[in-house]
Amino acid sequence: QSALTQPASVSGSPGQSITISCTGTSSDVGAYNYVSWYQQHPGKAPKLMIYDVSDRPSGVSNRFSGSKSGNTASLTISGLQAEDEADYYCNSYTSTSTRVFGSGTKVTVL
Amino acid sequence: QVQLVQSGAEVKKPGASVKVSCKASGYTFTGFYIHWVRQAPGQGLEWMGCINPYSGGTNFAQKFQGRVTMTRDTSITTAYMELSSLTSDDAAVYSCARGGDFVRSAFDTWGQGTMITVSS
Repeated sequence: QSALTQPASVSGSPGQSITISCTGTSSDVGAYNYVSWYQQHPGKAPKLMIYDVSDRPSGVSNRFSGSKSGNTASLTISGLQAEDEADYYCNSYTSTSTRVFGSGTKVTVL
Repeated sequence: QVQLVQSGAEVKKPGASVKVSCKASGYTFTGFYIHWVRQAPGQGLEWMGCINPYSGGTNFAQKFQGRVTMTRDTSITTAYMELSSLTSDDAAVYSCARGGDFVRSAFDTWGQGTMITVSS
């Protein structure tokens, strides 16, 4: 199972919106609505931001939203803030009852 | 509150095995999958596999099949991950994470991570 494909880096100015893509195949992202997104600050444990493509856990800002089209899922961060600077990873359930992470995206707030 | 507390850092020689523990508290241990994820220095997250604490059933990433064992002890609400035949490529932070009642559920709580160093 190969890692899902994410852009290595995305940047934006405070207040702007950015979108991170996560491309898989018809055996993972395209097959199920079980894509989740994780935020990881340096030296810290990952934090769940989005689950089941577009649902937000309690306590996560509504500036974070998720969507999916075909084999590509996306995470959008609106009203970008300095605290959003971190690494972001997508994860999908697969047709072999396993899970696979994306390659990770470094978000920089300019 | 839901919490996962892992065992401490270890240094292993190439060819050896390592066993990491993950102590769960604050919820019904047998109701939620435990997943294991590793992250090599400067690299991304890599899913290794998961265990159903109720049944003991496991699912592994193909890459680790035959080299990883996942077990649990429900009496002390602890899950274990053992990786054998270690090489320098296995040097990483290993983390446990709580899933849901299905393999497909997201990981909502993470352990603090356990650093494994492989050195002769």
